[in-house]
Amino acid sequence: NAGVTQTPKFQVLKTGQSMTLQCAQDMNHNSMYWYRQDPGMGLRLIYYSASEGTTDKGEVPNGYNVSRLNKREFSLRLESAAPSQTSVYFCASFQGQAYYGYTFGSGTRLTVV
Amino acid sequence: GNSVTQMEGPVTLSEEAFLTINCTYTATGYPSLFWYVQYPGEGLQLLLKATKADDKGSNKGFEATYRKETTSFHLEKGSVQVSDSAVYFCALSDSSTGNQFYFGTGTSLTVIP
Repeated sequence: NAGVTQTPKFQVLKTGQSMTLQCAQDMNHNSMYWYRQDPGMGLRLIYYSASEGTTDKGEVPNGYNVSRLNKREFSLRLESAAPSQTSVYFCASFQGQAYYGYTFGSGTRLTVV
Repeated sequence: GNSVTQMEGPVTLSEEAFLTINCTYTATGYPSLFWYVQYPGEGLQLLLKATKADDKGSNKGFEATYRKETTSFHLEKGSVQVSDSAVYFCALSDSSTGNQFYFGTGTSLTVIP
């Protein structure tokens, strides 16, 4: 099925560990996004990539890095995980015309202990 | 700047009750407006949208009208079902800011039989 695929679905890390969240889309969308979702705060943009080869910071980029590996894949890396990064992470892609909205992945639930 | 404000939740309704979830926005340009729905354990799904003033978006019995004069996009449904229990997010996309999406904090709806 066409859409946005995120891996893993669940992850538990110890403080200081590193990990990479993977995201891939098969809709040939140019733009891709990483959000985090926390209770009472809605979705906050971490990083985005408007097109292949470009990345930009969003609202809450500290502690994260991203790589737009190719048009399909956009990964999010935590170099040294902290408990404050416990959250649900969503990847989204966008065709480029607002009418179509974003397409979201099913999320990665990350717990840092 | 751009922002979205939603009514605070949680909202609990009996089956077949009328639903309204308020959403107001501020935008620098001419935004498109969206409602997304998130079922437990899943990502966000586009529910409905409207791209210009006075447009009405509708889907699955839900409706919302783009009101430029009141900068609002309230979500309504005449008769809710248990299966409508979810978190609802209002969002806008503004072409003047590169079509970046701005989300409200979400409103949790629980429908009881």
